[in-house]
This record gives sequence, C-alpha cells and structure tokens, in this order.
Amino acid sequence: EDQVTQSPEALRLQEGESSSLNCSYTVSGLRGLFWYRQDPGKGPEFLFTLYSAGEEKEKERLKATLTKKESFLHITAPKPEDSATYLCAVQAAGGGNKLTFGTGTQLKVEL
Amino acid sequence: GAVVSQHPSRVICKSGTSVKIECRSLDFQATTMFWYRQFPKKSLMLMATSNEGSKATYEQGVEKDKFLINHASLTLSTLTVTSAHPEDSSFYICSASGQNQETQYFGPGTRLLVL
Repeated sequence: EDQVTQSPEALRLQEGESSSLNCSYTVSGLRGLFWYRQDPGKGPEFLFTLYSAGEEKEKERLKATLTKKESFLHITAPKPEDSATYLCAVQAAGGGNKLTFGTGTQLKVEL
Repeated sequence: GAVVSQHPSRVICKSGTSVKIECRSLDFQATTMFWYRQFPKKSLMLMATSNEGSKATYEQGVEKDKFLINHASLTLSTLTVTSAHPEDSSFYICSASGQNQETQYFGPGTRLLVL
C-alpha cells in the first residue's frame, strides 16, 4: 500500500527565515510526486510535479527536490503570504492518475 | 489554464434530503475526474474516480448507492449525496485531469452541512 508521511505537522517561521518541509513516501513504482498548496476553505493549488530522483523544480521562493525515499520543499525567505498547508502526494505506476496524499504541513509565516 | 469550478460552494440541507454538487473543467477536457472528502485538519480522502462515459470506481468503504457520481461529458461531473445525514457533513472537493496528463487540478470545494 502506498504511503506518504509529511513532517513537521505544523511549522511557524519568522518572515525571511528559510526552512524545509519533508515528505517521505513508499510506493510501488513512482510515477510522480506532487506538491500542492491549500489555503483554508479552498481546494489544493498545484505547485510541482517531480518524476525521478535528483530532479529539482523552483517557483518563486519554493524549491522542490526528490530522492528515492523522500521529497523536500524548501522555502527561502518566506513571506506571510506563503502561510498555507502544503500537501505532498504520490502517484504510482499502473495506478492510473490516482493520488495518495500525506496529511500536510501547516505553515505559518509571521512578521 | 487548468481551471476547475465547483457549485455550490456551500450548502445546508435537512437530514434525509439529497444534495447535488457540480464539478466543471472550464478550459480543458477532463477525461478523468476525482471526488475527495476532507475533514477538518485532515488530508484528502479519495472517494471515487470517474472516467467520461463510464461508471465511477469507488474506493473501499465508500457507499456507491449513497454517493452517486455521474461524468456525462468531458467538462462536467456531478456528485449526489443521497438521503444525507449529519455524518455526511464535510468538505467535498473534486479534481480533474486531461488525457495524457498526470496532474490533477482541483476545484475550490463545497462545504456541506446536514442538519
């Protein structure tokens, strides 16, 4: 059974204080690993897809990396508007487009 | 691009009534749509997967006669919660993906409250 574990559950940062969120996964053949951002009361917003170990993708202050066992979402010099829950999900080869989600990291960036 | 809408955004209904939620892909053809349920401070739980023109595939533990899913066109899927009860109160979110696309794009969600 595919599993995704995210840590920490919650993270409080000061504006400008860089940090990383972790996503550990076990999957029977990784087709893709996805990062989403979810604001309260909203649906998840797509951020990145990573396909193979060593791959990296960047978007503004966010950078996602992937190894064979985990993915990191690095947040550089965060701003209050980066506050949200960040969700990680895996898609298994042969599983269609089905996603298995982690429970998310709730990020709060304070002034 | 890749915009998905849901309607209604919030609905309150009496116990025993049925509620229909619509999910539309606005700028692409969604060959596959997914329905999720999310409890407060919990992650998304997949309820069912539907392909256009086919019967939905339900996850284990999800009652297909209670949660009716229709995916009649490449831009519209509906979820009907039949004979709703208070325990069905939740945040329901749909997503859609196009042909040859692995990425799921999510709608804004529907908050259902059953009194």
